[in-house]
Amino acid sequence: AQSVSQHNHHVILSEAASLELGCNYSYGGTVNLFWYVQYPGQHLQLLLKYFSGDPLVKGIKGFEAEFIKSKFSFNLRKPSVQWSDTAEYFCAVKGWGKLQFGAGTQVVVTP
Amino acid sequence: DVKVTQSSRYLVKRTGEKVFLECVQDMDHENMFWYRQDPGLGLRLIYFSYDVKMKEKGDIPEGYSVSREKKERFSLILESASTNQTSMYLCASSSRINEQFFGPGTRLTVL
Repeated sequence: AQSVSQHNHHVILSEAASLELGCNYSYGGTVNLFWYVQYPGQHLQLLLKYFSGDPLVKGIKGFEAEFIKSKFSFNLRKPSVQWSDTAEYFCAVKGWGKLQFGAGTQVVVTP
Repeated sequence: DVKVTQSSRYLVKRTGEKVFLECVQDMDHENMFWYRQDPGLGLRLIYFSYDVKMKEKGDIPEGYSVSREKKERFSLILESASTNQTSMYLCASSSRINEQFFGPGTRLTVL
């Protein structure tokens, strides 16, 4: 069965700092990869996705993610975070069958 | 924009009650999903449906059932609510090959 692992459960950083959230999955076949974000009090929304092609994917609000097939990873990055990036971030992987979510990473950005 | 709506944002029920959670999407999506979201566990799939009157068990179907009589509507039923079903319930929909779109969630408390 496929599984998704997010390396950090909580991250606290200051505004303008760089952010990188790790995501690894266990599935050997072709995958579709997603990062979702849930801002406080809001519904889950798509940040970016990878289906095929360029492994460096750009999403909304300055986020990007890199798919490294050999490492089974899809890490999320943002060069300079803002207070409004405070949210919970979920990595999700769709291999054969249904979408599998990681446990989520709570990110707090302090002013 | 895709819109997924859920019948209630907050719900309080008593142990043993039958609970209905309703979800409606307006984008003619074939697929609909019910998840529960718990801290530290991410999103876990309860049931999903690929077509009207069709349903498939997810990872944690025990204690739940679903109904999909119309394409736009997917209902989650807790036959006899228990305290361990206190959680945030998220509905999502998608077309056959694209990402899932989520509703705002229903926070259910079972006393």
